[in-house]
Amino acid sequence: EDQVTQSPEALRLQEGESSSLNCSYTVSGLRGLFWYRQDPGKGPEFLFTLYSAGEEKEKERLKATLTKKESFLHITAPKPEDSATYLCAVTETGTASKLTFGTGTRLQVTL
Amino acid sequence: NAGVTQTPKFQVLKTGQSMTLQCAQDMNHNSMYWYRQDPGMGLRLIYYSASEGTTDKGEVPNGYNVSRLNKREFSLRLESAAPSQTSVYFCASSEGFRDAQYFGPGTRLLVL
Repeated sequence: EDQVTQSPEALRLQEGESSSLNCSYTVSGLRGLFWYRQDPGKGPEFLFTLYSAGEEKEKERLKATLTKKESFLHITAPKPEDSATYLCAVTETGTASKLTFGTGTRLQVTL
Repeated sequence: NAGVTQTPKFQVLKTGQSMTLQCAQDMNHNSMYWYRQDPGMGLRLIYYSASEGTTDKGEVPNGYNVSRLNKREFSLRLESAAPSQTSVYFCASSEGFRDAQYFGPGTRLLVL
């Protein structure tokens, strides 16, 4: 069965303190890996899609990378407005577009 | 563009009552989805519609029904609500199977 595991569950950073969030997955064939940001009381907001190992995507202070077994979301010099829950999800080849989500990493960035 | 909209935002039901959650998208997407989000369990797919006129079960379909009314609208119906259906429900849409899904703001449902 597909499994997506995110770590850590929660992360507290000071403003400017760079770090990485991890998403490990087990699927028979990866169709795509997706990163979302979710603010409290809101729906997930799409950030990135990665399709193959070695691929990287960047947006402002965020950079997503992908290997054959995991993805990292690197946050460089975070600001308090980066505080949110970051969700990772995968779709598998040969199936309909079913996103399997991890439970997320709650990021808090303090001054 | 409003993106994906959902109504209502919040609802309280008594056990056994029925209700329909509405979802609409204005991005001309082909595929639409219903998820539920529960603490510690992540988002789980209830039903999806790959294209207008088709619907399929997801991971947790029991107790729910859906209707793809047209390309824009996809509704989720609870025929006889149970406390286990207390959750936050999200609708999403995507252009196609390889594409990112875009989510609505959610409906918070409490079943007493």
